[in-house]
Amino acid sequence: QKEVEQNSGPLSVPEGAIASLNCTYSDRGSQSFFWYRQYSGKSPELIMFIYSNGDKEDGRFTAQLNKASQYVSLLIRDSQPSDSATYLCAVQTTDSWGKFQFGAGTQVVVTP
Amino acid sequence: DGGITQSPKYLFRKEGQNVTLSCEQNLNHDAMYWYRQDPGQGLRLIYYSQIVNDFQKGDIAEGYSVSREKKESFPLTVTSAQKNPTAFYLCASRPIGRGNSGTGELFFGEGSRLTVL
Repeated sequence: QKEVEQNSGPLSVPEGAIASLNCTYSDRGSQSFFWYRQYSGKSPELIMFIYSNGDKEDGRFTAQLNKASQYVSLLIRDSQPSDSATYLCAVQTTDSWGKFQFGAGTQVVVTP
Repeated sequence: DGGITQSPKYLFRKEGQNVTLSCEQNLNHDAMYWYRQDPGQGLRLIYYSQIVNDFQKGDIAEGYSVSREKKESFPLTVTSAQKNPTAFYLCASRPIGRGNSGTGELFFGEGSRLTVL
């Protein structure tokens, strides 16, 4: 079993709709969770982080964390063509030095 | 501007050659990392370092070597022992320890794309 799992997609979303991305993780003691966006051929850029159970909103993005169920999700509201990218879920494990495990990413395609 | 600089952006290697990828950061971060990304896959950890003159193997260290002689620099050498080195290589850093602010996320360089001919 992979430590961090995401649906690979592609997830096709009409412009203006909500994109919903899911991520599950295996290390129950994981503390910090990050969503990165990666455009083709580019390096990842941080868009959201969440540490506590519940929802966290930042502009059109909402991260949701449920530690009991070991999943973290990302919602993108009012999806725009510029949101077309691969979204990587990263989980910081319980190692003291902060090892990050990445999912394979979900490709999102926003269609006009 | 602070950031992470990787060079070269594109590199071609003949089989049997060693190549070194440069990573320099001016963010004053303690920890530095090297990741490898293959098409359709997530990032896999090659090596990491928390302090100068100390580094640890990640999940796929075979065929790679690193050094950390300065806080700012963490070069990665892809040796001829790495059988399938064609990939996108990402260097990252983050602050750790007391007095560091921020969210604790990884900051990435722009990446180096290595192709074996």
